[in-house]
Amino acid sequence: DAGVIQSPRHEVTEMGQEVTLRCKPISGHDYLFWYRQTMMRGLELLIYFNNNVPIDDSGMPEDRFSAKMPNASFSTLKIQPSEPRDSAVYFCASSLGRVIRGNTEAFFGQGTRLTVV
Amino acid sequence: KQEVTQIPAALSVPEGENLVLNCSFTDSAIYNLQWFRQDPGKGLTSLLLIQSSQREQTSGRLNASLDKSSGRSTLYIAASQPGDSATYLCAVTGTASKLTFGTGTRLQVTL
Repeated sequence: DAGVIQSPRHEVTEMGQEVTLRCKPISGHDYLFWYRQTMMRGLELLIYFNNNVPIDDSGMPEDRFSAKMPNASFSTLKIQPSEPRDSAVYFCASSLGRVIRGNTEAFFGQGTRLTVV
Repeated sequence: KQEVTQIPAALSVPEGENLVLNCSFTDSAIYNLQWFRQDPGKGLTSLLLIQSSQREQTSGRLNASLDKSSGRSTLYIAASQPGDSATYLCAVTGTASKLTFGTGTRLQVTL
């Protein structure tokens, strides 16, 4: 398996534009996580899914952020409209949580570096 | 709410030295603890995972320990090398199945 795949790797956009980040989890994994990383706040969990269903979106900063997982192999994180303070690296991760909870090793994608100017 | 803290925030050691990175968490109801490495501008690479029933895990020059009752974990790196320079992050998986990350330790190994 190629691991967790995120696209694009880099995104530069103007304030007010819509941004869509994409993630393909590892095949067979039933948990998918979206994180945001900044120098000031470190890694923050935005939202996570279990079997394509959003479980906890309490980390989503505001209504401008939305995430979907239409099927087990694809998820999107959308920001509309984008603002300069959204500039960060956004990571997607997946894990297998069905079998033994203690062994739910999480694997991360390479991240999308978003710059909003 | 789970809070994870890592000490020190930054560390610089000469090549060949053994070192210990610390991680503490406030809620001991965890399923596992995972140590990650992050190189500048890169993603996170999983180094070791310790299940809540385990006391330690080893991989090469790395050894991670877990004391769940006291809310502590350590990552021991033996015979450090310049290639070990990176940021090391610990994360715990709680009953909600989500990972909570620590603040990270930035390690620099000098020649």
